[in-house]
Amino acid sequence: ETGVTQTPRHLVMGMTNKKSLKCEQHLGHNAMYWYKQSAKKPLELMFVYNFKEQTENNSVPSRFSPECPNSSHLFLHLHTLQPEDSALYLCASSQGSTSGGGGTQYFGPGTRLTVL
Amino acid sequence: AQKVTQAQTEISVVEKEDVTLDCVYETRDTTYYLFWYKQPPSGELVFLIRRNSFDEQNEISGRYSWNFQKSTSSFNFTITASQVVDSAVYFCALSEGGDDKIIFGKGTRLHILP
Repeated sequence: ETGVTQTPRHLVMGMTNKKSLKCEQHLGHNAMYWYKQSAKKPLELMFVYNFKEQTENNSVPSRFSPECPNSSHLFLHLHTLQPEDSALYLCASSQGSTSGGGGTQYFGPGTRLTVL
Repeated sequence: AQKVTQAQTEISVVEKEDVTLDCVYETRDTTYYLFWYKQPPSGELVFLIRRNSFDEQNEISGRYSWNFQKSTSSFNFTITASQVVDSAVYFCALSEGGDDKIIFGKGTRLHILP
């Protein structure tokens, strides 16, 4: 595998379900990101992890719970979601701020989530 | 505060025409980075280019070229002899030095008509 991978690619879940999105990067990066992209809306940064530590949480509701066990893996645990949470969830990775910032982010293919 | 403006929401051109996508940015930092990404219908954001604030040289890569002008805070992207495969949403983005975050514009949806 190369680059950034995300699984599953598509997910349909009910409001009472619990599911997890997985992201894995094979680029040797130390920063990872979750973004949400809803129809007709700009990309929204949700979480940033640098060397496994969360450095950014953009006021994301607690029904989204990120986990970063190591620099290569990032999870987004989902529970009791709402229909308005239906969106494309994108994961990205970059070298991180130890490289002086402005690192290029490389994106995975995304998980298209539908909440019924 | 940093900000990226892509005033063109949607553009349609006929194949083989040239098209320019505009990007205007705002930042108070002297060190910053500018990016362009392409998002085809499949959804993945594909990195196209990264420039730092100290390098104003224009860049050409095949049919793609970028015009960086600090005087007007613009980083425009031109596709020459457009092709149907260029149809996508294109995002301009900005990162300030020392910051991991990238601020994205709202994107320009480009339709290349056969």
